[in-house]
Amino acid sequence: EPEVTQTPSHQVTQMGQEVILRCVPISNHLYFYWYRQILGQKVEFLVSFYNNEISEKSEIFDDQFSVERPDGSNFTLKIRSTKLEDSAMYFCASVEGGIYGYTFGSGTRLTVV
Amino acid sequence: SQQGEEDPQALSIQEGENATMNCSYKTSINNLQWYRQNSGRGLVHLILIRSNEREKHSGRLRVTLDTSKKSSSLLITASRAADTASYFCARPNFGNEKLTFGTGTRLTIIP
Repeated sequence: EPEVTQTPSHQVTQMGQEVILRCVPISNHLYFYWYRQILGQKVEFLVSFYNNEISEKSEIFDDQFSVERPDGSNFTLKIRSTKLEDSAMYFCASVEGGIYGYTFGSGTRLTVV
Repeated sequence: SQQGEEDPQALSIQEGENATMNCSYKTSINNLQWYRQNSGRGLVHLILIRSNEREKHSGRLRVTLDTSKKSSSLLITASRAADTASYFCARPNFGNEKLTFGTGTRLTIIP
C-alpha cells in the first residue's frame, strides 16, 4: 500500500537554528498538509498546499514557517529560527482529491533544546 | 470552536468487550473520518462516513452518523490488546481543505 514517507524520524536542534522536515507524499495525490501534535495534546493543522501554492494556513504558521515542493515529489516544512515551543511531532499528510481518507506519514519528532 | 469533541477522553475495557467512542461537531460536514494513533506514531485512517450515510462497517468497526445531532460514534467489537490506541474523529472543511481533529479518546484494552 502506498505510504507517505517522512524524514528524519527524530531531530534535535538548538534553539534559534533552522530545521527542514521532509516528506514524500503519495505520487498521485494532489493535496498536501502539515500538522503538528505537541506531546499529549491534539493534532493541530499548520498548512495546506495545492497546485504548488499554499491554500490555507493556521495562526501557528507564522513567518518562521515555510513550505516548498522543490522537485514535484518532495514536500518540505522549514522552520527558520526554532523556539522551545516548536518541540512537537510534525506530520505530513496527503489526499488524492475527492472524498477519501487522508494518508499520514509516521511523523518527525522535533526536539528544540 | 469548530473542533470535534470525543467522549469519553479515556476508556479502559477488558479484551473481548466492545468499545464505543463518541464524537460531536459544530458545523455542517460532507463527511466525517475516524483515525487511530498508536502511542508516538502516525495517524492511520480507519473509516470515512459521508453525510448521506447513517452507518458504515469495516471489519470489527462500525461507525454511525447523526447529522441532525451533529454526532458520530465508533464501535469496536470484540476488542483486542492491539486496539489499544488513541482514536480521533476528524472532518474536512468543504472538500479537501484541512482536517479538523477532535480531542481524541484514549482506549486501553486490558488483556
